[in-house]
Amino acid sequence: AQSVTQLGSHVSVSEGALVLLRCNYSSSVPPYLFWYVQYPNQGLQLLLKYTSAATLVKGINGFEAEFKKSETSFHLTKPSAHMSDAAEYFCAVSAGGTSYGKLTFGQGTILTVHP
Amino acid sequence: SQTIHQWPATLVQPVGSPLSLECTVEGTSNPNLYWYRQAAGRGLQLLFYSVGIGQISSEVPQNLSASRPQDRQFILSSKKLLLSDSGFYLCAWSHSGPDTQYFGPGTRLTVL
Repeated sequence: AQSVTQLGSHVSVSEGALVLLRCNYSSSVPPYLFWYVQYPNQGLQLLLKYTSAATLVKGINGFEAEFKKSETSFHLTKPSAHMSDAAEYFCAVSAGGTSYGKLTFGQGTILTVHP
Repeated sequence: SQTIHQWPATLVQPVGSPLSLECTVEGTSNPNLYWYRQAAGRGLQLLFYSVGIGQISSEVPQNLSASRPQDRQFILSSKKLLLSDSGFYLCAWSHSGPDTQYFGPGTRLTVL
């Protein structure tokens, strides 16, 4: 069974500051890991994914995440926040090798960007 | 390229009324299909998934049902809505296996 914990339901940063959204996972098999972003009243959009290749994954909009097996973490970062980054972010885990690819989502982190 | 549609975008229904939400996918064949619910202040809850026509698996017991009458069509239904059915319903698709899920725009359901 898999689980995801996102540390911090709300994160607030200033425009231009570093963005760090934390995600820790639990999986009994090698995981696939995902970060999604959701803007108000919209569906989820994939930011990036880790599927056992390079541990540092680059995504859209300048985001990246690093898979650290020893820490069971997959934290999302962006060097410089923009106002347009304000949204809710979800980390998700999928067990590699499963037949239908069930995703288990974290509870989400709302990112606020101040001018 | 693939696209996923959901309708309606918003819906306000009285308690006890029936429900039908529709999701269709274009540009791919034999996708895995998923229904999620997102209640206010809560994460995403997987309701149903389907790996093929007529094949539906339920993740949680509830007042809802799902059907897949065609390869790229997924329907979420209820015979009698409850207040607790209010939420944001998201449909998603993926290729087989532990692959990326792609989400539709969602349906906002309010039960009064």
